[in-house]
Amino acid sequence: GNSVTQMEGPVTLSEEAFLTINCTYTATGYPSLFWYVQYPGEGLQLLLKATKADDKGSNKGFEATYRKETTSFHLEKGSVQVSDSAVYFCALDNTNAGKSTFGDGTTLTVKP
Amino acid sequence: EAQVTQNPRYLITVTGKKLTVTCSQNMNHEYMSWYRQDPGLGLRQIYYSMNVEVTDKGDVPEGYKVSRKEKRNFPLILESPSPNQTSLYFCASSLPPAGENSPLHFGNGTRLTVT
Repeated sequence: GNSVTQMEGPVTLSEEAFLTINCTYTATGYPSLFWYVQYPGEGLQLLLKATKADDKGSNKGFEATYRKETTSFHLEKGSVQVSDSAVYFCALDNTNAGKSTFGDGTTLTVKP
Repeated sequence: EAQVTQNPRYLITVTGKKLTVTCSQNMNHEYMSWYRQDPGLGLRQIYYSMNVEVTDKGDVPEGYKVSRKEKRNFPLILESPSPNQTSLYFCASSLPPAGENSPLHFGNGTRLTVT
């Protein structure tokens, strides 16, 4: 079956540090890949997505590239801010399958 | 405003007392789904619905029921709640089943405590 493995947290960084959160997956076929972010007290919201190999998703300074050869979709940001403190979830969906698969989430805390 | 609305936000109940958590979306989405979020276990899918009158089990359906009589609503029913169902629950929706151009839209969650 499908699975998503995320880098374990929590992750604590100073403001303006470089961020990487690793994500690898196992799936049949050609899934779409997503990063969702969850701010305290809120539901998840889409951060970025990629739908085929070598696609790069980007939003709010975050980037992730769909690497089929390494089955990875690592999240990166060059300079984090305190407002980026949240829980980040990597996820995959096989088109029309109906069953989404999420990683366990990685908690990021950015200190001033 | 496009949104997924869950109610209530917080609920404390006792073992065995039937409860319903409502979920409604105003985006005319076909696909809806329920998840529970537990520390160390991430998000696990409970049930999902591809369209009206079509529902399927996710990864952890035991102890839950759902119905999809109209496109906009997808209530989660706990007929006889137990303490191991204490969790944070999220409803989500998307256009066709989540995939290439269909990211999930989430509600703000329902924190359920069963004593």
